[in-house]
Amino acid sequence: GQNIDQPTEMTATEGAIVQINCTYQTSGFNGLFWYQQHAGEAPTFLSYNVLDGLEEKGRFSSFLSRSKGYSYLLLKELQMKDSASYLCAVMDSNYQLIWGAGTKLIIKP
Amino acid sequence: ETGVTQTPRHLVMGMTNKKSLKCEQHLGHNAMYWYKQSAKKPLELMFVYNFKEQTENNSVPSRFSPECPNSSHLFLHLHTLQPEDSALYLCASSPEPGQGYNEQFFGPGTRLTVL
Repeated sequence: GQNIDQPTEMTATEGAIVQINCTYQTSGFNGLFWYQQHAGEAPTFLSYNVLDGLEEKGRFSSFLSRSKGYSYLLLKELQMKDSASYLCAVMDSNYQLIWGAGTKLIIKP
Repeated sequence: ETGVTQTPRHLVMGMTNKKSLKCEQHLGHNAMYWYKQSAKKPLELMFVYNFKEQTENNSVPSRFSPECPNSSHLFLHLHTLQPEDSALYLCASSPEPGQGYNEQFFGPGTRLTVL
């Protein structure tokens, strides 16, 4: 079966760095997405990785290793507004997104 | 209006009621999706429409009935639901189906409670 694993909840301090991991087992691979979802709001796109390596976008970076079935989302200089759930999703061989359950990130002052 | 809109934002219904959820996208996209989001569970893909044609139905019970009259509008008709159907129902759209980089844009969702 297809499976996406990510931690249920993480806590970090304002101004610090946090890394949210995602491991996957899917039927084929056509890219990995990270989305951010604030409570009661729509998920919004953060990043897309299809090749191995690190993609940097401001305070957020996303890394992919296809051979290991592994990705992480790195958030730097954490702000209170970064408190949200972070969803990892993999596009399989049928171009359908397989979603993880999300990681709830709590930022403390 | 921009992006993806959904109405209503909140809905409470009894198990014998019939109601409909509406989604509209103003992005010129060709694919639209219905998802179910339950607490602490992955997003569950329910239906996919590509160019107004339904291409996916992930074993969704018949008490959920989708309708896509055109590429901008998507409905989810609900009847004789069960309490376990209470969840957040998200609509999404994407530019072109069948491509790797196919970012999905989500609406704010309808919070459904079945009594």
